[in-house]
Amino acid sequence: EAGVAQSPRYKIIEKRQSVAFWCNPISGHATLYWYQQILGQGPKLLIQFQNNGVVDDSQLPKDRFSAERLKGVDSTLKIQPAKLEDSAVYLCASRLGGVGNSPLHFGNGTRLTVT
Amino acid sequence: AQSVTQLGSHVSVSEGALVLLRCNYSSSVPPYLFWYVQYPNQGLQLLLKYTSAATLVKGINGFEAEFKKSETSFHLTKPSAHMSDAAEYFCAVSERYTGGFKTIFGAGTRLFVKA
Repeated sequence: EAGVAQSPRYKIIEKRQSVAFWCNPISGHATLYWYQQILGQGPKLLIQFQNNGVVDDSQLPKDRFSAERLKGVDSTLKIQPAKLEDSAVYLCASRLGGVGNSPLHFGNGTRLTVT
Repeated sequence: AQSVTQLGSHVSVSEGALVLLRCNYSSSVPPYLFWYVQYPNQGLQLLLKYTSAATLVKGINGFEAEFKKSETSFHLTKPSAHMSDAAEYFCAVSERYTGGFKTIFGAGTRLFVKA
């Protein structure tokens, strides 16, 4: 099966600019996650979708971050305006259904550098 | 909320030596536990998962982990390290909440393998 696809792989922007990341999960996976991974830390959950509905965005800085999942498939994560501390790898993951023991499948991530 | 603690941000072993990466979790109910591996510039890949069927779990690449409820631990081991094992390893716990399940990651342990 095809894995989770993310683009772009790398992005460099200046602070206060905007940026968008795209994710295509594994076909049939209802649950989609966006994680932020700062260098030297574990992934931190930003937002979770179940089909096209948001089930958890408690850790998403909503003043600058937004995300959507149209038609319950692809998802985009946007940052506007970016800050220096947003420099991180943004990982998209998907999971089959909402079962707790099913593992997450990750994309290769987008490495964002804010200068 | 559950949490995951990985002791040691860096572990260095010689090729052929035992690998031991430590993970402790906080949970009041039997958890779903996972180990993931991350190679440079890649997303996370599942190594193994605990789902209560057996306390000793075998994963890919010769890794295994033992669930010890009394110690709330899920340490990862491999009898003989190989150079290709050099990577970052993340312990994770899957937590049930109103919206379904979310996965919480430890801070990670970087494994160095010396020739």
